[in-house]
Amino acid sequence: GAGVSQSPSNKVTEKGKDVELRCDPISGHTALYWYRQSLGQGLEFLIYFQGNSAPDKSGLPSDRFSAERTGGSVSTLTIQRTQQEDSAVYLCASSPGGWTQYFGPGTRLLVL
Amino acid sequence: GQQLNQSPQSMFIQEGEDVSMNCTSSSIFNTWLWYKQEPGEGPVLLIALYKAGELTSNGRLTAQFGITRKDSFLNISASIPSDVGIYFCARPAGGGADGLTFGKGTHLIIQP
Repeated sequence: GAGVSQSPSNKVTEKGKDVELRCDPISGHTALYWYRQSLGQGLEFLIYFQGNSAPDKSGLPSDRFSAERTGGSVSTLTIQRTQQEDSAVYLCASSPGGWTQYFGPGTRLLVL
Repeated sequence: GQQLNQSPQSMFIQEGEDVSMNCTSSSIFNTWLWYKQEPGEGPVLLIALYKAGELTSNGRLTAQFGITRKDSFLNISASIPSDVGIYFCARPAGGGADGLTFGKGTHLIIQP
């Protein structure tokens, strides 16, 4: 069946602009996760949704970052007033439960 | 969160050689996960470990959950070109965050 999909696959933006990243999880997966991967680094956990609620938002790097999930399915990660240090690959994962997470291909964000 | 120390950072090996990499933490955990990431893709789960001393295989891959519960090892036998990629260890982030904390990865390069 279909895996996790993310859009856009690549995004180039100018410093100060807002960007919105989308994640479509695997159908039926109740848990959804966002991670950030900077060049040559491991993955940094940002936020987790169980259903539509995010119990812990402390992993978000700053108040310019926000995320929402509607209908227990699609999630969007929004970065306001982007900065050059926001350049990274943003990965989404979903899970039916437990610690097995299925990752999407990521959105490569470049802030000029 | 607690850091994971993964080593080596990179490995340059000949096709057919065996590979060994490890991950350590200063804290005790009940779950260790090993992922592989290929260029332009999200990480893919290889092996999950849930019990101290557990030894689990997935084809030519074998992972072990250390007895101290503070480390884990991944071995690849008889490497082939498609084994190229970045291998990450991961464990629950803890603190109610419900995401994963990843090591910085071992970059495996195979010379034919």
